Amino acid sequence: QKEVEQNSGPLSVPEGAIASLNCTYSDRGSQSFFWYRQYSGKSPELIMSIYSNGDKEDGRFTAQLNKASQYVSLLIRDSQPSDSATYLCAVRRAGDNDMRFGAGTRLTVKP
Amino acid sequence: GAVVSQHPSWVICKSGTSVKIECRSLDFQATTMFWYRQFPKQSLMLMATSNEGSKATYEQGVEKDKFLINHASLTLSTLTVTSAHPEDSSFYICSARGLAGLPSREQYFGPGTRLTVT
Repeated sequence: QKEVEQNSGPLSVPEGAIASLNCTYSDRGSQSFFWYRQYSGKSPELIMSIYSNGDKEDGRFTAQLNKASQYVSLLIRDSQPSDSATYLCAVRRAGDNDMRFGAGTRLTVKP
Repeated sequence: GAVVSQHPSWVICKSGTSVKIECRSLDFQATTMFWYRQFPKQSLMLMATSNEGSKATYEQGVEKDKFLINHASLTLSTLTVTSAHPEDSSFYICSARGLAGLPSREQYFGPGTRLTVT
């Protein structure tokens, strides 16, 4: 079992819809959770970080964390074509320096 | 805030030569820097983690004598690919975490360096 699992996609949604990206992790010691967006040929860009159970909203983005289910998700409201990218879920254990990345979900928002 | 730069953004070199890539944290002090490699259509692969003033910790399968990492200051880390070969052609990305405050919990990436070895 991979440490961090994501559906590779591609996930295709129409412009204006809600895009829902999911991530599960295997290590119960994980305490910090991150979503990064990576455009083709570019480096990852931090979108959201979440550290406690529940929802965290930032503009059109909402991160949801459920530690009991070892599940973290990212919702993108009012999806725009510019949101088309690969979204990487990353997880870090308490006390660790490095993060473990999922393979990423490719999102396409169609005009 | 939390800006990480890399230089060069791309480089083409001949097989057998060495290439140095610089990574700088511009507006925070980075106690820890990370070097990743990414091949086309694949996910990020962590190569090594370095703390300022200490030797880097390499991931399994990464040759420390081939990929030399120097984290000499709180704002600069360098990766030198020695005796580069075509199979080393990849997208190299550095990342940094800071001392305190927001950057200490979050990790920010540089723009990456595309290396092509001919």
